[in-house]
Order: sequence, then structure tokens, then C-alpha cells
Amino acid sequence: GAVVSQHPSWVICKSGTSVKIECRSLDFQATTMFWYRQFPKQSLMLMATSNEGSKATYEQGVEKDKFLINHASLTLSTLTVTSAHPEDSSFYICSARDGAGVTNEQFFGPGTRLTVL
Amino acid sequence: AQSVTQLGSHVSVSEGALVLLRCNYSSSVPPYLFWYVQYPNQGLQLLLKYTSAATLVKGINGFEAEFKKSETSFHLTKPSAHMSDAAEYFCAVSEGTGANNLFFGTGTRLTVIP
Repeated sequence: GAVVSQHPSWVICKSGTSVKIECRSLDFQATTMFWYRQFPKQSLMLMATSNEGSKATYEQGVEKDKFLINHASLTLSTLTVTSAHPEDSSFYICSARDGAGVTNEQFFGPGTRLTVL
Repeated sequence: AQSVTQLGSHVSVSEGALVLLRCNYSSSVPPYLFWYVQYPNQGLQLLLKYTSAATLVKGINGFEAEFKKSETSFHLTKPSAHMSDAAEYFCAVSEGTGANNLFFGTGTRLTVIP
């Protein structure tokens, strides 16, 4: 089946530093990848949608200069949290949609827990 | 616009009892519907999906869901709960072929009592 990996699975960083999270589709080509943020005991909030080779589309209220998304290949998307602050601490989950699929099913990565001190 | 309502943020059942997690959707076009399960500190795993074929959908781990257009519902059931079913469950809807986004409900935490 379709597998999506994320790296790292958890990261702790100091306030003001930048953190990069990778999302890879391991056995299919993902024309579209999605980045979600999940606060404790809450649902997933879509942050942005990225299509390979084009700029990401950010949801309202998400700062594109703070959350940099790059989707340089059909199997890799990255999310960089720039100048991270404690309020950016959260669980970040990516998903990927198979370009050949027709059911809009998204395959989810295992998530990355970010803690900003 | 699409939206999903999950009634009951917490559901507790005894081991061996019926599991019923409720999901109602709103969509202006025929929807695709999904149920995902999330275990602590993990991503989401697809349980089952409805994509305009059979209205009764069978998924993994003994779960099934029935699409009822007249009730705009897609409730998730399992005849007999197992301790390993304790997790967070999310219902999601998308517009259909070609649409990008999934809209998630707020989730239901299932507790299984031994």
C-alpha cells in the first residue's frame, strides 16, 4: 500500500531557530501533498496544499513566510518552521495524494512532534 | 461547502459491546467520505471510505460504515469492541473526483472498558 514517511518524528529546538520537516511518499508519486497541524486533543487543521513544482497554497491565517513549504519532487515535500517560537509547538502531519488516484484518498505520514523551548 | 459533524467527543464502551461513532456531513455535491483512526502520537490510518459505490462499506479491523444520503450520515460501527480499538477516530469528507481537500470532523475518542 501507499506509504508516507516523515522525518524527524520528533524535534526539540530553541526559540528563534528554524526547523525543517520532510515528508516523503515511498512507493508512489504524489502530485499533491498536504500539511496539517494538530493541537492536543483537537482535529487536524489544514495549513497548506502543495503541488509539485509550484507554490504552495496556504489556508487563511497561516503565515507563508513563517511556514515555508517546498515540493521540489513528486516524492518529497518539506515544511520549514522559521524562527520558531513556543506557540509553534505542535504535532505536524503531512499527507500525500496519489496523482493517479480518483478517490481523493490521502495517505498520512506518522507525524512530527515539534517542541520549541 | 463541505463540513463534518461528529456527535460525541468521547465514547466509552465495554469490551465486546457494540461500537457506534456518529458522523453527519454537509456537501453540495455527492461526497466522498472517510473514516480515519489515530493512535497516540501517530498519524492517521484509513479505516474505510465511501466513493459512491456500495452504501455499506467494510473496512479494516472489523469496522463498517453505512452511507445514508437521506440522513446525510456516515456512522461507523463495529459489532464487538476490542481493547485495541481505543483510539481517536476522525470522519472526513471531500467533494468528489478532482477535489483536493479533506474536511475533518473534530474527532471522537473511543475508550474501551475491560
